[in-house]
Amino acid sequence: GAVVSQHPSWVICKSGTSVKIECRSLDFQATTMFWYRQFPKQSLMLMATSNEGSKATYEQGVEKDKFLINHASLTLSTLTVTSAHPEDSSFYICSARLAAYEQYFGPGTRLTVT
Amino acid sequence: AQKVTQAQTEISVVEKEDVTLDCVYETRDTTYYLFWYKQPPSGELVFLIRRNSFDEQNEISGRYSWNFQKSTSSFNFTITASQVVDSAVYFCALSGYNFNKFYFGSGTKLNVKP
Repeated sequence: GAVVSQHPSWVICKSGTSVKIECRSLDFQATTMFWYRQFPKQSLMLMATSNEGSKATYEQGVEKDKFLINHASLTLSTLTVTSAHPEDSSFYICSARLAAYEQYFGPGTRLTVT
Repeated sequence: AQKVTQAQTEISVVEKEDVTLDCVYETRDTTYYLFWYKQPPSGELVFLIRRNSFDEQNEISGRYSWNFQKSTSSFNFTITASQVVDSAVYFCALSGYNFNKFYFGSGTKLNVKP
């Protein structure tokens, strides 16, 4: 089956620093990757859609300069939270899709900003 | 507009009871997909089922069953003889024909007590 991994699984960083989260499709090439954010006891909200080799498309209300997304290869997308603040603390989940097939979700990364 | 509503925020049952989780959706698409995911405390989304809009057959998988009714735009999930291990948050989701943007419901937290 299709496997998507995320690294790290959890991270603690200090306010004002940047943190990078990786999303990899392990056994397939993902033409599109998606990034979701989930606050405690809330639903998943799509942050952005990234296609390999092109700029990410951000959902309304998501700051693209704060959440930098790079999809440099068909198996790797990265989300960098720049100048993180405590309100950025959340559970970040990526998913990957091959062409028009189903999205496969990663295990998530728990970010805590102190 | 696409929307998924899970009106039940939290449900508590005693082990061996049957429980139904409700999901109502809105979409203008004629071709779409509906999903159920389980999210245990670890946070990783566990895929349970995918249904396309042209297949209204009910599905049963062990203790799990799903009832899809286009007439009422509902895709309900029933757990028969619930077990403590079923305790989790369950999300219903909707996507278009190309598995692009996923719309998640707000989730239902199921507590199964021994």
